[in-house]
Amino acid sequence: SQQGEEDPQALSIQEGENATMNCSYKTSINNLQWYRQNSGRGLVHLILIRSNEREKHSGRLRVTLDTSKKSSSLLITASRAADTASYFCATDSNTGNQFYFGTGTSLTVIP
Amino acid sequence: DGGITQSPKYLFRKEGQNVTLSCEQNLNHDAMYWYRQDPGQGLRLIYYSQIVNDFQKGDIAEGYSVSREKKESFPLTVTSAQKNPTAFYLCASSKGRGVGDTQYFGPGTRLTVL
Repeated sequence: SQQGEEDPQALSIQEGENATMNCSYKTSINNLQWYRQNSGRGLVHLILIRSNEREKHSGRLRVTLDTSKKSSSLLITASRAADTASYFCATDSNTGNQFYFGTGTSLTVIP
Repeated sequence: DGGITQSPKYLFRKEGQNVTLSCEQNLNHDAMYWYRQDPGQGLRLIYYSQIVNDFQKGDIAEGYSVSREKKESFPLTVTSAQKNPTAFYLCASSKGRGVGDTQYFGPGTRLTVL
């Protein structure tokens, strides 16, 4: 399966700290995306990084991509209680026509 | 969630009944998708449609059916053949038909089989 896996499964930090979560995938990709899901809600797109990019920033978010290791990381700096959510990576496949979501990291930011 | 609506938010079904989940988008997106999410797990693709009157099976299509008669609508029917239908169902759409386009999600429908 192409499905990615996030690590850790759950993460609990204090407000103001940085949160890092990782995603590993199995086959070559064109793009990797990160999404956020608040409990019981739909997913919201955060950031897309293409296979020829190594790092991308958006506000307090920093995403890296290492295609040689088939892995990506999402860093949230200066976390806030409102960042509490589940975070998913999603990958396409440069040989297929589907889009695969990982199993998610559940982030809790303690005020 | 803007631009994509799903109804109802909560749905209860008796075993042996078919039930249809609604998904509508006003974003003028070509592609639409249905995912299933089980507790503590990621999303699994049920069906997707890249153009009106055409749709493709995803990884877990058995026991489900869809139609795409209009660009803005992509209803999902959970049939009695689906052995374990209790789950959270998410609909999404994307502007292009390319794999990997940003997907915009609805708020979800939580289906419970009694």
